[in-house]
Amino acid sequence: SQKIEQNSEALNIQEGKTATLTCNYTNYSPAYLQWYRQDPGRGPVFLLLIRENEKEKRKERLKVTFDTTLKQSLFHITASQPADSATYLCALETSGTYKYIFGTGTRLKVLA
Amino acid sequence: GAVVSQHPSRVICKSGTSVKIECRSLDFQATTMFWYRQFPKKSLMLMATSNEGSKATYEQGVEKDKFLINHASLTLSTLTVTSAHPEDSSFYICSAAPRGAYNSPLHFGNGTRLTVT
Repeated sequence: SQKIEQNSEALNIQEGKTATLTCNYTNYSPAYLQWYRQDPGRGPVFLLLIRENEKEKRKERLKVTFDTTLKQSLFHITASQPADSATYLCALETSGTYKYIFGTGTRLKVLA
Repeated sequence: GAVVSQHPSRVICKSGTSVKIECRSLDFQATTMFWYRQFPKKSLMLMATSNEGSKATYEQGVEKDKFLINHASLTLSTLTVTSAHPEDSSFYICSAAPRGAYNSPLHFGNGTRLTVT
């Protein structure tokens, strides 16, 4: 069956370090993958989109990679700040439907 | 731009009553809207896809008679939880896809916290 997993439910890192979050999927062949940030009691906010033919995408302190062979995406936040503390969700497009399925999320906490 | 407004943000209702949640795209037209349910510390579970002017497509296991979806215009979709029971208590979130923008980011509302007593 199709499955999306994000490596850990919670991740604590020290301010200034790079946070790396993982999204693994099985039995999908997504053409697109997106990363969202969600704060408690709020809806998700879009961060980055990467296409299957793109290896890497960057936006300011954020970087996303997409390895369709490993069926994995990595999400990096460099020079992390306490304000980056939130839950981060990966989402896969289920081919041609414009319907995204979300991963389980990773709660990131950046310690000052 | 691309703001989605969801209303109400919180609602408490008695068991057996119905509750309507509205999702509006404020500055763009949305041919497609999605409704999700989220349990505490869990991810978003897609409930249904709402297409303007046609019937919603429900995910497996979601009762269409329980969760009525109407997408009567390009800027408004509504979710009605009928005959609500305590197990329907949850965080419901909508998202909207801009018209003609396949695979652009989804724009989410801020969710509705439903508590059924």
